[in-house]
Formats: sequence, structure tokens, C-alpha cells
Amino acid sequence: DIQMTQSPSTLSASVGDRVTITCRASQNIGFWLAWYQQKPGKAPKLLIYKTSTLQSGVPSRFSGSGSGTEFTLTISSLQPDDFATYYCQQYNSFSFYSFGLGTTLDIK
Amino acid sequence: QLQLQESGPGLVKPSETLSLTCTVSGGSISSSSHLWGWIRQPPGKGLEWIGTISYSGSTSYNPSLESRVTMSIDANQFSLKLTSLNAADTAVYFCARHFGVYDFWSDSGFYYYMDVWGKGTTVTVSS
Repeated sequence: DIQMTQSPSTLSASVGDRVTITCRASQNIGFWLAWYQQKPGKAPKLLIYKTSTLQSGVPSRFSGSGSGTEFTLTISSLQPDDFATYYCQQYNSFSFYSFGLGTTLDIK
Repeated sequence: QLQLQESGPGLVKPSETLSLTCTVSGGSISSSSHLWGWIRQPPGKGLEWIGTISYSGSTSYNPSLESRVTMSIDANQFSLKLTSLNAADTAVYFCARHFGVYDFWSDSGFYYYMDVWGKGTTVTVSS
């Protein structure tokens, strides 16, 4: 089974900062990685799929990159609405999906 | 606009079976390019994939839960049964559509990401 490791687990930042979250897969998953944003009491929201493709309606300050086993999510200029928890997820296989443990982005 | 809505009991006793249903509205559940799945989130913890089903009834389950999970699909809804419940099964349960994209570059088939989620339903396992 493919394990996903996210870092950091917590990130403190200020409005306007550029932040990067890293996600590593335990084996090669090609480009089959998605990023989700979750706010307390809400369902996860898809931000990015296939490593770097923004879901419709997602602001362009979000971007994704990587391939194989190492991936990043970058927010170019943090906005107040961006403080949330972020999860990466691999979907390399129909038979097994897995998520990272999450990165909580909070206000410094 | 596609919407998913989970339904089921909020409280279940230990050792009993949980039955949840996800009702799909605003779109078709029978599309061959979509799959349908369940994900859960224990209090204060991360997301755990439970299982996925196609409209034809093909399933895949998380190996850690496979012995206790059964999924089914019918008309405009799909369902989850989880047996032998214990306190560790206390969680918010989400259903989600998996959107399929064909990998033409390698011709290796469809890959599915979770693009539409229900709001979730809280399940507590307690006597």
C-alpha cells in the first residue's frame, strides 16, 4: 500500500506570506496526486488534481508541482480564507487511495 | 449541480453494524467515468479512505477495513455497511464522487480523484 507523508504538520504564517507544503509518496505515483482544503466542520474541498491542475473556481494563488514521489502545494500570497488544513491524496490505483495526515495552516 | 447527501444513524452500539446511504442528486450515478466512495475522519484526526464502488458494482476496500466493509449501489444511491463496530469507528463519514480521467499519454486507463463530497454525517459508537 502507498503511504503519504506530509510536512510540516503545522505551519504558522501571516497574510501575504508565501507558503509551501510538501507531500511524499512511499512509491512512484506519477502525477496522480490531489490536494484538498478542509475547514473545521466542513467537508474537504478539492483544490488541485493531477499534481498541478486547478479545480474550477480555485484561486490562482494556489499551485502544485512535482512528480513520482515528491510533490508540493504552494500558496503564493496567503489570504485570510486560506487558513485551514490541507491534505494530499494519491490516486494512482483504483484499488487503494491514501491521504497524508494533513498540514494545519494557522495564523502567526 | 451534483450534490451528495449522507444519511444514517448518529449513534450505534459496539459490536453492531453501521448502515449508511449516500443519495446522489443533480446528476447521474450511472456514468462509466465516475466511481463512488466513502471516506471517514475520526475526531481531531485525518482522512481515511474506506472503499469505492463503480455503478457496475466493482468494489475496492481499504485492507485495514476489508473484512468488515460491504458497499452496494442502486438507482441514485450507494451504501456502506460496516460490521462489528467499536469505539475506533467513531468518526464523520463522508461520501464522495470520484471523477475519472483517462491517461492517454501512457494508455494505462482511468485515474479517479474525489471532486464532489457530501457534507458528512457523524457516527458515534457507544453503548
